[in-house]
Amino acid sequence: DAKTTQPTSMDCAEGRAANLPCNHSTISGNEYVYWYRQIHSQGPQYIIHGLKNNETNEMASLIITEDRKSSTLILPHATLRDTAVYYCIVRPGSSNTGKLIFGQGTTLQVKP
Amino acid sequence: SAVISQKPSRDICQRGTSLTIQCQVDSQVTMMFWYRQQPGQSLTLIATANQGSEATYESGFVIDKFPISRPNLTFSTLTVSNMSPEDSSIYLCSVHLMSDTQYFGPGTRLTVL
Repeated sequence: DAKTTQPTSMDCAEGRAANLPCNHSTISGNEYVYWYRQIHSQGPQYIIHGLKNNETNEMASLIITEDRKSSTLILPHATLRDTAVYYCIVRPGSSNTGKLIFGQGTTLQVKP
Repeated sequence: SAVISQKPSRDICQRGTSLTIQCQVDSQVTMMFWYRQQPGQSLTLIATANQGSEATYESGFVIDKFPISRPNLTFSTLTVSNMSPEDSSIYLCSVHLMSDTQYFGPGTRLTVL
């Protein structure tokens, strides 16, 4: 599975958009980009995933560059409850294994 | 989505003992996984729990240390055997759904003295 690179930490002001970048320059054509987050002491929570088109759901938007070598997760109006570690993961879609390989993620601190 | 519960939620154990962690899902799922999260670290996959057959372990994890059972499509257990303080971690189970998303349980926080 392709490796991802994320900044170690980021700050965001409450109410502003949080833009979390992820580099995945070795991504293959059949690999999806997944985002999870882990709020302190809880199990990881699925946020969103996509292949090449931009995706949006009730939690966030996912913007994938045309060459698919990088992506950005956007939380449109960050709240204090969005403070968490955010993981960008690349893996084949409809994979027979289904397993996720976690990197170190980005610690997002939302400040009042 | 899926609702996943784990028991116990936390435990404090003595060195050399074993602890069995249970994972229950509210629907039948094909793939279940066990992860470990050591203090201050990211998640590491231990194994895939296969229904009706032996678990598939990742590099660095062995069945003697982490035996896994999967008697049906809604339940699995992970045992941490002959524990040492280095086994102090959060242990999480997860399930993979047909929507190609994975959901995690709340975790079991284990402290080994």
